[in-house]
Amino acid sequence: DQQVKQNSPSLSVQEGRISILNCDYTNSMFDYFLWYKKYPAEGPTFLISISSIKDKNEDGRFTVFLNKSAKHLSLHIVPSQPGDSAVYFCAASTTSYDKVIFGPGTSLSVIP
Amino acid sequence: SQTIHQWPATLVQPVGSPLSLECTVEGTSNPNLYWYRQAAGRGLQLLFYSVGIGQISSEVPQNLSASRPQDRQFILSSKKLLLSDSGFYLCAWSIRGQPQHFGDGTRLSIL
Repeated sequence: DQQVKQNSPSLSVQEGRISILNCDYTNSMFDYFLWYKKYPAEGPTFLISISSIKDKNEDGRFTVFLNKSAKHLSLHIVPSQPGDSAVYFCAASTTSYDKVIFGPGTSLSVIP
Repeated sequence: SQTIHQWPATLVQPVGSPLSLECTVEGTSNPNLYWYRQAAGRGLQLLFYSVGIGQISSEVPQNLSASRPQDRQFILSSKKLLLSDSGFYLCAWSIRGQPQHFGDGTRLSIL
């Protein structure tokens, strides 16, 4: 049973527009959530995180929103750039990032 | 600054052969260490994690094993590879309370 779900395997967005990547989770004990970005043939790189005591965290063009009641989080990228084209993994943890459960990923293509 | 080294980058092995993938971390002490596998078209599956020398937790029963002979060295092994062991293997490290940081991975192909 997948505890972290990313129901959109892929997403295409025009350069300059907003990219919204969605993630749902089933375990109500999760209290830390992360987004990682992965280019082909490279390891994932940490992008942004949020703890369950907050509903929004912002870092430059990247904002993560958390809706605990809906067990849903989303990553907004504004404005989207071609270099943002990558696979984005949503991840969740119950114990301060020590053991993290990853979603299957969403492949984002930003079209120039 | 901390760095993580993982090698080799690619590996082609015949079925039934042994495997040894190595990962080392520099610039930190007593990190948590992790091995993940990404199968084609799928997410990252945690295989093993370690909170200290000689302490290994296995997340998924399988044909693989892990060892941590030194504080900053993590090794993934198999005595006899199966076709299903093909995939992209990633090593990661973290300090408690901080996100994990990944190496660049090893692409393992079993023939």
